[in-house]
Amino acid sequence: EPEVTQTPSHQVTQMGQEVILRCVPISNHLYFYWYRQILGQKVEFLVSFYNNEISEKSEIFDDQFSVERPDGSNFTLKIRSTKLEDSAMYFCASSPPNTDTQYFGPGTRLTVL
Amino acid sequence: QKEVEQDPGPLSVPEGAIVSLNCTYSNSAFQYFMWYRQYSRKGPELLMYTYSSGNKEDGRFTAQVDKSSKYISLFIRDSQPSDSATYLCAMSTGETSGSRLTFGEGTQLTVNP
Repeated sequence: EPEVTQTPSHQVTQMGQEVILRCVPISNHLYFYWYRQILGQKVEFLVSFYNNEISEKSEIFDDQFSVERPDGSNFTLKIRSTKLEDSAMYFCASSPPNTDTQYFGPGTRLTVL
Repeated sequence: QKEVEQDPGPLSVPEGAIVSLNCTYSNSAFQYFMWYRQYSRKGPELLMYTYSSGNKEDGRFTAQVDKSSKYISLFIRDSQPSDSATYLCAMSTGETSGSRLTFGEGTQLTVNP
């Protein structure tokens, strides 16, 4: 069964550094998303992406965040200058056309020191 | 008022019990309702997906939506130790394709052998 994959599984970085989190969505899906989950808190929406552009973003998704689909398979989340409070699990998700069902990847645990 | 409220538990039941998990919500625009299962430090796994009001059954799982009360439920029959996980409700308005999901906090369930 096709799955969303994410790399790396764990990323440790110093405050102020840039990180890129990578995702490979399910191949025939058209909508892509990033969510985050701070330890002990609820899963929060960051951004959705369709047809090579952002379709919706939350108030969390400020200028330090960007997303890109650099090729036909990868979907990336870049955090330009990481802060301590960016430490969280970051989940990528994708959904097929004409449905709101979203399928999540295993997550990348980001630790900012 | 939170958009989606879910009792975080923890909930502990003996093997074979019927489990009832619930969420309430305040946004009457929500049309699509999902339940996800999340094991510790893993990505959410889609269990059930329903549109608007009504019931949906899949094996030991039954999802119910009551839009008039803004209340959704997930029932697990004949619960097994392998059902021990955190259960997340999620919902979207479906105003546009690829709408964001709004999650509850999750209910931590333990099924004791």
